[in-house]
Amino acid sequence: DAKTTQPTSMDCAEGRAANLPCNHSTISGNEYVYWYRQIHSQGPQYIIHGLKNNETNEMASLIITEDRKSSTLILPHATLRDTAVYYCIVGTGTASKLTFGTGTRLQVTL
Amino acid sequence: NAGVTQTPKFQVLKTGQSMTLQCAQDMNHEYMSWYRQDPGMGLRLIHYSVGAGITDQGEVPNGYNVSRSTTEDFPLRLLSAAPSQTSVYFCASSPTYNYGYTFGSGTRLTVV
Repeated sequence: DAKTTQPTSMDCAEGRAANLPCNHSTISGNEYVYWYRQIHSQGPQYIIHGLKNNETNEMASLIITEDRKSSTLILPHATLRDTAVYYCIVGTGTASKLTFGTGTRLQVTL
Repeated sequence: NAGVTQTPKFQVLKTGQSMTLQCAQDMNHEYMSWYRQDPGMGLRLIHYSVGAGITDQGEVPNGYNVSRSTTEDFPLRLLSAAPSQTSVYFCASSPTYNYGYTFGSGTRLTVV
């Protein structure tokens, strides 16, 4: 599976959009980009995933570049409850083998 | 619909003891996985299953056994506990190969 690179930490003001980048330059054609987050010591929570096209759901938007070598997770209106570690993961259809890195620690502040 | 249920939530074992961490899901998901998370680290895959009767090793399988006799249950067995297995263990399930996983709340295991 392709490896991902994320910033170690980011800050965002409450109410503003949080844009979390992820580089996955070695991604292959059949690999999806998944985003999860982990709030404190809870179990990870699935956010969104995509293959080629941009995706949006009730939680976030996922923007994938045309060459698929990077992506950005957008939380449109961050709240304090969005403070968490965000993991960008690239994996094949056998999603059982998702590999979690150390993620980006997002701190949302007043 | 309870989602993914893990028991126990906390456990202390002595070195050399064995135990089984339970994981059950009521969503009829085919894919299930076990991860461990050490302090300050990301999750590492221990074992996974793509359906009843089918299991395979992940990144860190040594010292752990799994079986999948039903779609609902995916227990993780520690054969002979070691202090290096002190960790938080998460079970997860997914309905299909390109869908997000639902995680349980974890089992916090300490081996002394």
